[in-house]
Amino acid sequence: DIQMTQSPSSLSASVGDRVTITCQASQGISNSVNWYQQKPGKAPKLLIYDASNLQTGVPSRFSGSGSGTDFTFTMSSLQPEDIATYYCLQYDSLPWTFGQGTKVEIK
Amino acid sequence: EVQLLESGEGVVQPGGSLRLSCAASGFTFSSYAMIWVRQAPGKGLAWVSTISPSGISTYYADSVKGRFTISRDNSKNTLYLQMNSLRAEDTAVYYCAKDRGYNDFWSGRYYYYAMDVWGQGTTVTVSS
Repeated sequence: DIQMTQSPSSLSASVGDRVTITCQASQGISNSVNWYQQKPGKAPKLLIYDASNLQTGVPSRFSGSGSGTDFTFTMSSLQPEDIATYYCLQYDSLPWTFGQGTKVEIK
Repeated sequence: EVQLLESGEGVVQPGGSLRLSCAASGFTFSSYAMIWVRQAPGKGLAWVSTISPSGISTYYADSVKGRFTISRDNSKNTLYLQMNSLRAEDTAVYYCAKDRGYNDFWSGRYYYYAMDVWGQGTTVTVSS
């Protein structure tokens, strides 16, 4: 199975800060990574697909990059409504596997 | 608007069975693979199972293989998850999700691209 090592597990940042989350795959997976946002008590929401493509309707402050084994998710200017847990997912091969999640809080 | 509505929530004893349903609307259900993902209390997300658009091909996480069965009724736009021999560790919120993939016209092959739209989730509790 492909392991997705996501870091950090939690972070606290101020409104307007640039926030970066990383995922490292245990083997090369091309660009087969999605990023999801999950707010408390809610279903996950797709933000980024194929590592770097912004899902329709998602604010442009969210972005993703990477290929192979190293992937990055960035919020260019943290907003209060971005408080959530963020997950990466690899879908290069079964079983599809998620990172452990990053809980983002406002400082 | 794409909508997925899970049902079948319940409390069941270890060793028992439960069937979840997911009613889909707003898209051509028979054209997309469908997926179940679960989330144990206070834990992260875990992929459970995927079914091809036709229902012919099914895939399972090792943790549920042989106990869970994914199926679909394209005439009813409904996805199912039959869960047997339930264990305490199966306690979770179960989400159904639509795959972002597509069917290649020339090759006839379906390409899987994982979850783009999710239902609201339904809770399964396994406890004596």
